[in-house]
Parts: sequence; C-alpha cells; structure tokens
Amino acid sequence: EVQLVESGGGLVKPGESLRLSCAASGFNFRDAYMTWVRQAPGKGLEWIGRIKRNSDGGAADYAAPVKGRLSISRDDSKNTLFLQMDNLRTEDTAVYFCAWYFYNHLAVWGQGTTVIVSS
Amino acid sequence: QAVLTQPPSVSAAPGQKVTISCSGSSSNIGNNYVSWYEQVPGTAPKLLIYENNKRPSGIPDRFSGSKSGTSATLGITGLQTGDEADYYCGTWDNSLSGFVFGTGTRVTVL
Repeated sequence: EVQLVESGGGLVKPGESLRLSCAASGFNFRDAYMTWVRQAPGKGLEWIGRIKRNSDGGAADYAAPVKGRLSISRDDSKNTLFLQMDNLRTEDTAVYFCAWYFYNHLAVWGQGTTVIVSS
Repeated sequence: QAVLTQPPSVSAAPGQKVTISCSGSSSNIGNNYVSWYEQVPGTAPKLLIYENNKRPSGIPDRFSGSKSGTSATLGITGLQTGDEADYYCGTWDNSLSGFVFGTGTRVTVL
C-alpha cells in the first residue's frame, strides 16, 4: 500500500524554525517527484514547492510567497521528504501535506501535520 | 492566492447531477493537464481525476472530467450524501513555474 506519513508539526513562536518530515512507503521513492502543500484554517489548498528525483538533478521549485524561508530536501536512503521552515510567521499557520507528484498530478497525499505559529 | 477560479458552492438533491467549473488561462489550463481533488473537511485531499478526464483505480464512473480551452469541468452524477466535500482543480502554471489550485467548491447534497 502506498503511504505517506507526515510528522514534526507543533506550536512555535514567530521567528522560530521547524522541520517537517514525510515518511514514504509502498512505492519507489527514489524515482518520485515529491511536493508539499499547505492549507491555512478555513482556506483552500496552497502549493508550497516540489523536489525532483536526484536522477533529474534533485532541484526544488518553490511558490513565490515561501521562497527563501522554506526549503525542501529528501533522503532517498530513508525514503523521507523534509520541509525546513525558517523565520516562521503567523501566516504560516496551516496543515502541511506531503504528496507524490506523479507526472502532472498529486497522486497520493499524506494525512497532514499541523503547524501553529503564535506568540 | 489561487489563480484558478471555481464557484464557491454548488448543491443538488440526492441522485441528481452537479458540475463544477474551473477557469484559468493559457499559462495553466490552456497548456497543461488538469486534475481534480476531493477533500472531506478535516481529512486529506484525494485524487479524483487526472489528465483532464482519467479516473484512478477505485474512483466510480459517477465522477467525470473534461477540458476545453482554458476551462475545465468536474461532473458528479447520482449525487450521494457521501459526496459532500470540497473539490479543487489543479494544474501546472508555466508562468509561475509551479502547481496551482482552484479556489475550491463546496458540494452540498440537499
């Protein structure tokens, strides 16, 4: 069974950092493009960014609002995707989902992890 | 800020049909495949339609997708109470070099 499980969310203060993890199983993670999506309370889905497989260079693309503060990385030896979030702001409060980006769509989603940024 | 526009809500009685529109531009829908996602409040989104009109395994044929020009449409026939959810369209945007979602549509079964 294909599965994605996020972890690492929590309550942090503005300006602090947090690293989210996404453990993948049931598919060839090494060959997968992976993405992060977030959803603020009561709002719609917002794409954060995507990381290519290492055989395609392993580069990450980001949405303009998060570029420079959020960064995506991966550890293929552990089938794990990461989202490093620095200088967090109150507007970063959201549920964060990882998803398998399969060619042109988000094929499988994790259950999400909640990040709350508040003083 | 979503760049794809959807109606905020649609509703119909059980057994009826609803359609949800998704309007974009040549930089996104006009030149890329569209996918659709269903999200029951409080849960993760789930892929419903990919490459404009294809259904993943396990998605009933009550759900259908189409695309014409810079717009796409999701159709749900034989509406059931279990279909009450938020529905989002999505596609790649060549100008933004990123994936974009629609504003989302809440489906209510009367």
